[in-house]
Amino acid sequence: GESVGLHLPTLSVQEGDNSIINCAYSNSASDYFIWYKQESGKGPQFIIDIRSNMDKRQGQRVTVLLNKTVKHLSLQIAATQPGDSAVYFCAENWEGTGNQFYFGTGTSLTVIP
Amino acid sequence: DSGVTQTPKHLITATGQRVTLRCSPRSGDLSVYWYQQSLDQGLQFLIQYYNGEERAKGNILERFSAQQFPDLHSELNLSSLELGDSALYFCASSPGAYSTNEKLFFGSGTQLSVL
Repeated sequence: GESVGLHLPTLSVQEGDNSIINCAYSNSASDYFIWYKQESGKGPQFIIDIRSNMDKRQGQRVTVLLNKTVKHLSLQIAATQPGDSAVYFCAENWEGTGNQFYFGTGTSLTVIP
Repeated sequence: DSGVTQTPKHLITATGQRVTLRCSPRSGDLSVYWYQQSLDQGLQFLIQYYNGEERAKGNILERFSAQQFPDLHSELNLSSLELGDSALYFCASSPGAYSTNEKLFFGSGTQLSVL
């Protein structure tokens, strides 16, 4: 049969604008979440994490928001730069997963200079 | 640089063959995780070792096996390779045994191509 690759959601933003990347996670029992950035040819790189007892956490130019009611996670990048172009993954983990993180399919962010 | 080292970066082999992928975790990390990233499956957890012992198992095929050595480096062995095994294989490490408390740091991966 035909091989179909993952159809990544894509987001294009102008340099300097803010970016918002969304993720719907799967398990209401998830208690730890991480956003990873993956550039072409590289491994996933940790950006920011948040635990389920929080609904917002800020880092340098990044903010993660967690809405447990609708099982939604978002990553906000302020003043997006060309170096932010990458695929962004959210990962969830909960006690009882056997220590594995479940990764979303990713969103491809392109920053237009 | 995450501090996790994977070798080789690229591997090209034929169907039916066996290969070994190697990973050195960050200094001080006791857990090693193996993930497979393919075009149609995304990032899939394969297996975790903690301080030499298997800790958790994910979607790892019986043709695949792993081990962690006393110096904490880990090897992932893939045998009877099939075309569908072509993928990026990542190793990640963390300090302890429970990933619910810790972030994972990933290596740069090994790109396996089975022809």
